[in-house]
Amino acid sequence: AQSVTQLDSQVPVFEEAPVELRCNYSSSVSVYLFWYVQYPNQGLQLLLKYLSGSTLVKGINGFEAEFNKSQTSFHLRKPSVHISDTAEYFCAVNPGGYQKVTFGTGTKLQVIP
Amino acid sequence: DVKVTQSSRYLVKRTGEKVFLECVQDMDHENMFWYRQDPGLGLRLIYFSYDVKMKEKGDIPEGYSVSREKKERFSLILESASTNQTSMYLCASSLGQYNSPLHFGNGTRLTVT
Repeated sequence: AQSVTQLDSQVPVFEEAPVELRCNYSSSVSVYLFWYVQYPNQGLQLLLKYLSGSTLVKGINGFEAEFNKSQTSFHLRKPSVHISDTAEYFCAVNPGGYQKVTFGTGTKLQVIP
Repeated sequence: DVKVTQSSRYLVKRTGEKVFLECVQDMDHENMFWYRQDPGLGLRLIYFSYDVKMKEKGDIPEGYSVSREKKERFSLILESASTNQTSMYLCASSLGQYNSPLHFGNGTRLTVT
């Protein structure tokens, strides 16, 4: 079985500063990795995904993530955050086969003006 | 764009009532899912379905059942609602490929009193 750890439950950051949201996973098989974002009072939407190929993945709204197989990590980064990035971010892993996707517990990003 | 529609945004029910949560997707997706979202616990999979009339238990199926009579519709049933089922419920759908991202509805916030 796989698991996902998002160590930071909340991350406050000033507007225009860089941010990194951490995600570590464990799995006995190769996985597909995703980041989802949830804005207040909404469902989740896909931010980016790693399926194969280049370990640096670019997503929407200027976010990117780097897959590191040796460290089993998939950290999310943005060089300069905006107020509108205030949301909760979820890391997720899918081991393939039937899509029993496992989500992390989420990280709330609070952008301070 | 894929649209996943959950019939109710807010729902208040009494302990012991039978509760139906409905979800409809409009993109002919094979897979449909029900998650429960609680603060600090992330998303936990209740049930999922890969085809009409087919269902599989997720990580926390106790106290729930599901129905998928048509491809576009996936219903979650609480046979006898209890206060510990007060939560946000999220429906999602995806294409049949195992690495396809999930598309979420906006959620139903259920309160059981």
